[in-house]
Amino acid sequence: AQSVTQLDSQVPVFEEAPVELRCNYSSSVSVYLFWYVQYPNQGLQLLLKYLSGSTLVKGINGFEAEFNKSQTSFHLRKPSVHISDTAEYFCAVRSIKAAGNKLTFGGGTRVLVKP
Amino acid sequence: EPEVTQTPSHQVTQMGQEVILRCVPISNHLYFYWYRQILGQKVEFLVSFYNNEISEKSEIFDDQFSVERPDGSNFTLKIRSTKLEDSAMYFCASSQGEGNQPQHFGDGTRLSIL
Repeated sequence: AQSVTQLDSQVPVFEEAPVELRCNYSSSVSVYLFWYVQYPNQGLQLLLKYLSGSTLVKGINGFEAEFNKSQTSFHLRKPSVHISDTAEYFCAVRSIKAAGNKLTFGGGTRVLVKP
Repeated sequence: EPEVTQTPSHQVTQMGQEVILRCVPISNHLYFYWYRQILGQKVEFLVSFYNNEISEKSEIFDDQFSVERPDGSNFTLKIRSTKLEDSAMYFCASSQGEGNQPQHFGDGTRLSIL
């Protein structure tokens, strides 16, 4: 079984400032890791994923995330946010080997970008 | 870019009634999923579906729930006798394959049980 913890439920940030959203996971097996974004009244859109290889992955809209196996973390960062980055961000994991492919989500972090 | 589409966007139903939520996955995808998000809570997995059968389901997915792929394009979630606690946003997703293939989500159906 897996679990995902997003330590911050809300993160207010000023426009053009950097932001980091924290994600820690627990799993007895190897996992793939994902970040999704949900804009108001929309579905979940894939931001980036870690499957294997380089621990620093780059995604859409200038976001990147770093996988740290020893700390079981997959924190999301953006060096300079825009107003349009206001959204809810979800970290998710999926077991590499299990059938069914279910995603296990964290509780989400709501980012509010202020002018 | 191809999208997963869900209808309706909002469904209001009396408690005890049956409801069917509809989804059109991306056309070349083979794996289909339903998730739900109760207001203020995590997105939770309900069921995954491949090759016309359920491949995994959660403990939430009890006998009141069923899924079907009635034709080559639709994927439906039926709740037989709705309860107040079924009120949630329901998301459909699809993926081209398993393993490292990402899941693509629709915009969701907000189900309100009165």
